[in-house]
Amino acid sequence: NAGVTQTPKFRILKIGQSMTLQCTQDMNHNYMYWYRQDPGMGLKLIYYSVGAGITDKGEVPNGYNVSRSTTEDFPLRLELAAPSQTSVYFCASSRKGPPGPDTQYFGPGTRLTVL
Amino acid sequence: AQSVTQLGSHVSVSEGALVLLRCNYSSSVPPYLFWYVQYPNQGLQLLLKYTSAATLVKGINGFEAEFKKSETSFHLTKPSAHMSDAAEYFCAVSNQAGTALIFGKGTTLSVSS
Repeated sequence: NAGVTQTPKFRILKIGQSMTLQCTQDMNHNYMYWYRQDPGMGLKLIYYSVGAGITDKGEVPNGYNVSRSTTEDFPLRLELAAPSQTSVYFCASSRKGPPGPDTQYFGPGTRLTVL
Repeated sequence: AQSVTQLGSHVSVSEGALVLLRCNYSSSVPPYLFWYVQYPNQGLQLLLKYTSAATLVKGINGFEAEFKKSETSFHLTKPSAHMSDAAEYFCAVSNQAGTALIFGKGTTLSVSS
């Protein structure tokens, strides 16, 4: 049981390039989330999904896109990378979503730098 | 709307000393509250959570937190700090709108020998 896995661990992009951050969970969780973490700012929700085929915007969705074709996978797409997207990105999953006490399980993160 | 405030971005203690990390929440309805820990270069790991079953919640690694409705607080404590407790700690509240967790800005705990 690997939990939540993310690839790559590190990436450097040039301004205007695009990339996809991969996220996979093997816990059969319905809910999945993408957060970004900036120093001193905590975690901000980018997008979330309540099941395959269903996604919605979080607090900071601009510049990102997601898809959820399977229960296991929830990739995050950056189309035109900008320096403001330099951050650490975390994927998480939970059996049920808020409001509620279900634990969110986090992946190890992807550290992205845009130059 | 729900929100979380963590008082003190950095807390330093000596090994064996009491650890106290402060968290105050704002919520118009009874909240679900969480404490997560993040070790360097790792993801977040759940320490403990409040689900209204008991006001004193015990978590992993000797941590506990007490829910105080009158003070809208959910402070995290540990009687005796260990070097391995050095990490960043996040308090979070479950979003009543049904989207995700709302995190505080985090508190970095340093433990000196």
